[in-house]
Amino acid sequence: GESVGLHLPTLSVQEGDNSIINCAYSNSASDYFIWYKQESGKGPQFIIDIRSNMDKRQGQRVTVLLNKTVKHLSLQIAATQPGDSAVYFCADGGSNYKLTFGKGTLLTVNP
Amino acid sequence: DSGVTQTPKHLITATGQRVTLRCSPRSGDLSVYWYQQSLDQGLQFLIQYYNGEERAKGNILERFSAQQFPDLHSELNLSSLELGDSALYFCASSVRGDETQYFGPGTRLLVL
Repeated sequence: GESVGLHLPTLSVQEGDNSIINCAYSNSASDYFIWYKQESGKGPQFIIDIRSNMDKRQGQRVTVLLNKTVKHLSLQIAATQPGDSAVYFCADGGSNYKLTFGKGTLLTVNP
Repeated sequence: DSGVTQTPKHLITATGQRVTLRCSPRSGDLSVYWYQQSLDQGLQFLIQYYNGEERAKGNILERFSAQQFPDLHSELNLSSLELGDSALYFCASSVRGDETQYFGPGTRLLVL
């Protein structure tokens, strides 16, 4: 069945460094992917999305890269700040926008 | 603040009971989704409604049901509750159902 996995359950970085969070997906028919950030006690917050006709999309301090050949996407956060500390989920929208979430990566930013 | 509201924020109940969780989507959004988040299963899609009609179903138990009302708010009904139903329940909404979903703050359910 469909699955979305994350390579690292935890990531610890220094404030000001760049962070890279990776995600693999298994559904080759998926054409929509989203990254969400979830802070403790809150609901998932949309960060950035990308469609399968693109391989890169940039937002404010964030970049998502999509490699369809190996079914992999990554979230890059530039100049990571303490407020970026959270769990980050990639989600696979499949071909019908029914989201399948990965397990999440806990990002900890050390001052 | 995503604009999606959920009530109650917390709910404590006993096994065998029935509860109703409520969600109001963002203004203008026609589609509502329900998700369950537990430590062992992560975030799991339960069900989607679009303009009052069920559109997609995920891993929703038969003991669970949902509906979307004419004013577009939605309710998730959980019955014959078991300890394993303890989880965070999130509602999300989107404009039509084929784009970005925005999540509410969730309802934390504890079944004792």
